[in-house]
Amino acid sequence: AQSVTQPDIHITVSEGASLELRCNYSYGATPYLFWYVQSPGQGLQLLLKYFSGDTLVQGIKGFEAEFKRSQSSFNLRKPSVHWSDAAEYFCAVKYGGSQGNLIFGKGTKLSVKP
Amino acid sequence: DGGITQSPKYLFRKEGQNVTLSCEQNLNHDAMYWYRQDPGQGLRLIYYSQIVNDFQKGDIAEGYSVSREKKESFPLTVTSAQKNPTAFYLCASSNRGRTDTQYFGPGTRLTVL
Repeated sequence: AQSVTQPDIHITVSEGASLELRCNYSYGATPYLFWYVQSPGQGLQLLLKYFSGDTLVQGIKGFEAEFKRSQSSFNLRKPSVHWSDAAEYFCAVKYGGSQGNLIFGKGTKLSVKP
Repeated sequence: DGGITQSPKYLFRKEGQNVTLSCEQNLNHDAMYWYRQDPGQGLRLIYYSQIVNDFQKGDIAEGYSVSREKKESFPLTVTSAQKNPTAFYLCASSNRGRTDTQYFGPGTRLTVL
């Protein structure tokens, strides 16, 4: 079955440090990739998405992600983390076709140390 | 403002009772979705609807039912057959194109007492 893996359940970084959250998806043709963020008790907010073209995509709040087909990865990065970035982050993949549904990873919780 | 609303935000239910969660969107999206979220489990798809008067089971449909009588509304009923209904429930909507993006509501936390 197709799946998304986020290897890190919980990550703690210091404010101002760089961040990379990992995401790997099972092989499939034409993946459409997403990163969402969720604050406690809230819904999910879209950070960025990749459909085609330039493999480095920019999102909101200073986040970016790079699609690497050879590694089946779509890692999320931010050069300098702010305390307000503390949240849970979800990677999701949708395979080609309008009938495909989103498959979510189990999430990575980010804590930020002052 | 365009968006997705879910009500209520918190819901308490006694065992053996059915309960209905509301989801409304004014984004003019054709497709709507219900997810269940448990700690450490990510989001799991319960039901989805690509068009009015049609819906499909997701990965964990047992113990749930839905209807889609209007484009903007997709209520979810948690029935007494659902063995472990305490969870956070999220509704989403999207257009139906290949590159459609799902947008999420704020969620409803259901607790069975």
